Amino acid sequence: GNSVTQMEGPVTLSEEAFLTINCTYTATGYPSLFWYVQYPGEGLQLLLKATKADDKGSNKGFEATYRKETTSFHLEKGSVQVSDSAVYFCALSEDSNYQLIWGAGTKLIIKP
Amino acid sequence: NAGVTQTPKFQVLKTGQSMTLQCAQDMNHNSMYWYRQDPGMGLRLIYYSASEGTTDKGEVPNGYNVSRLNKREFSLRLESAAPSQTSVYFCASSLGQGGWTQYFGPGTRLLVL
Repeated sequence: GNSVTQMEGPVTLSEEAFLTINCTYTATGYPSLFWYVQYPGEGLQLLLKATKADDKGSNKGFEATYRKETTSFHLEKGSVQVSDSAVYFCALSEDSNYQLIWGAGTKLIIKP
Repeated sequence: NAGVTQTPKFQVLKTGQSMTLQCAQDMNHNSMYWYRQDPGMGLRLIYYSASEGTTDKGEVPNGYNVSRLNKREFSLRLESAAPSQTSVYFCASSLGQGGWTQYFGPGTRLLVL
């Protein structure tokens, strides 16, 4: 079946460091891929998405490229801030299915 | 435009008690979802409603029931709460299936003693 695997956290970085959170997936078709973010005490919100191979999603300085050849959708940011501290979830969805398949989430801690 | 709202924000129940979690969206979305979030387990889908008048089981439906009251509202009921249902519950909605973005409510924190 479909699945999403994220790197385990927590990931702890200093402010202005480069961030990569790995996400790989297995899917039978051509899914859409998402990154959601959950700030402390809040619900999840969409950070970025990509709907086909080689698409790059970007938002708030974060980027992720849909790589079909490596079945990956890694999240990157060039210079993180303390305010980026949150839990990041990778997810996929098949167009024919109402369900999102979620990764376990990666907690990111940014120290000043 | 409030997006997705949930009530209550926090609830404590005793084992065997019942309660209903309420969810409403004002974005004219067709699809609505109930998730639970437990430490280290990510999000797990309890039930979803693809459109008004339909509901389907997700990954962990046991112990729960749902009602899609109308296009705006989707409630989750625990008939006889158990400590294993202690969790944070999120409601979400989306315009349609597949690649549509899901919009989440702020969550309900439930503690079952």
